[in-house]
Amino acid sequence: QLQLQESGPGLVKPSETLSLTCTVSGGSISSSNYYWGWIRQPPGKGLEWIGSIYYSGSTYYNPSLKSRVTISVDTSKNQFSLKLSSVTAADTAVYYCARHPIRGADFDLWGRGTLVTVSS
Amino acid sequence: EIVLTQSPATLSLSPGERATLSCRASQSVSSYLAWYQQKPGQAPRLLIYDASNRATGIPARFSGSGSGTDFTLTISSLEPEDFAVYYCQQRSNWMYTFGQGTKLEIK
Repeated sequence: QLQLQESGPGLVKPSETLSLTCTVSGGSISSSNYYWGWIRQPPGKGLEWIGSIYYSGSTYYNPSLKSRVTISVDTSKNQFSLKLSSVTAADTAVYYCARHPIRGADFDLWGRGTLVTVSS
Repeated sequence: EIVLTQSPATLSLSPGERATLSCRASQSVSSYLAWYQQKPGQAPRLLIYDASNRATGIPARFSGSGSGTDFTLTISSLEPEDFAVYYCQQRSNWMYTFGQGTKLEIK
């Protein structure tokens, strides 16, 4: 069955750029029925949607993070990626990638998440 | 931005009891409301989508209701594995937000 797996550095220095990749296996990222998104969760806190991308490259972002976020897709590798610039300690979180159907509001399939710590 | 407010923050119940969790939106989200369960160290798991539809593989003891601004997740008879944190989430105008969560703990 379809699975998502996040990968990337677990430690990023303040003011640098956080970069993560989500690899989709067991199915195609080029499905016309889904968007692919990033969500994060600071330790002990709630969930925050970061942004989403369609396989065509169309994106939309959380306005509170938009100036620092870039999400891209590589259909040949069945991957999509997150870049978050100028990070601070407040960006320390577990970062999840997830799939969400175009038809609705929900995120129906999630990766296991990866902890990214911002520290010098 | 639409704000989702969940209540109560913590709910203490015993196995076999009925749980009722509330989610209120600051403005109407129609039926674009989902519920998730999250256990420690795990990713959230989709329980309910479009306010009242159970996701694949979710037991019938979980049910969702509501529309507009007021939504409810009901667990008819709590099993030991149901004790976790529950989040509601909405989509509106290409923006997604989550509630702050309700922790369901064993009494």
